[in-house]
Amino acid sequence: NAGVTQTPKFRVLKTGQSMTLLCAQDMNHEYMYWYRQDPGMGLRLIHYSVGEGTTAKGEVPDGYNVSRLKKQNFLLGLESAAPSQTSVYFCASVKGRDFPSMYGELFFGEGSRLTVL
Amino acid sequence: GESVGLHLPTLSVQEGDNSIINCAYSNSASDYFIWYKQESGKGPQFIIDIRSNMDKRQGQRVTVLLNKTVKHLSLQIAATQPGDSAVYFCAGTPNSGGGADGLTFGKGTHLIIQP
Repeated sequence: NAGVTQTPKFRVLKTGQSMTLLCAQDMNHEYMYWYRQDPGMGLRLIHYSVGEGTTAKGEVPDGYNVSRLKKQNFLLGLESAAPSQTSVYFCASVKGRDFPSMYGELFFGEGSRLTVL
Repeated sequence: GESVGLHLPTLSVQEGDNSIINCAYSNSASDYFIWYKQESGKGPQFIIDIRSNMDKRQGQRVTVLLNKTVKHLSLQIAATQPGDSAVYFCAGTPNSGGGADGLTFGKGTHLIIQP
């Protein structure tokens, strides 16, 4: 079982470039999340999805877009990258039942390190 | 809103000693708390959780204590081992009404194990 897989693991962009981070899970989870992690700070929620075809904004959504066209995939897009978006991005998924104890089974990917020059 | 934070950014302990990592939260309506462990270069992993109707919960070598009066929780790791070196995050639900918008994470404490 692969769990949660993020691609790419590393990327360097120039200001203004666009890119997409892909998150794939093979656990048939309903809920998927994108977080960013910055030095000295905890994880902050960017966007999330509670099912195929649905997305919602989290705490820090500006500058990002997401799509959940397939249940197993959750894409995070940066249309015009800015240096402030330099961060480590984590995707997570969970089955989506039995709130809140479901968070005890929140699975994270290994992270995607993005640098914007 | 929910605010979850840790008291110390770094905690250094001797191998074999017990570690105590603290966390404070602001929302008294928070129902559920989790401790995650994040090793270098990896994503967070679940350690232990506790509901607000409990004061204490024990796992393997770990214990979480919840003090609702002062809105504080702690993670105790017994007989700390080199493999316990990591950043530890507490996280709490934003509200007691449920919701899919994830957890609020604290800033993390880096636990360093001295040989």
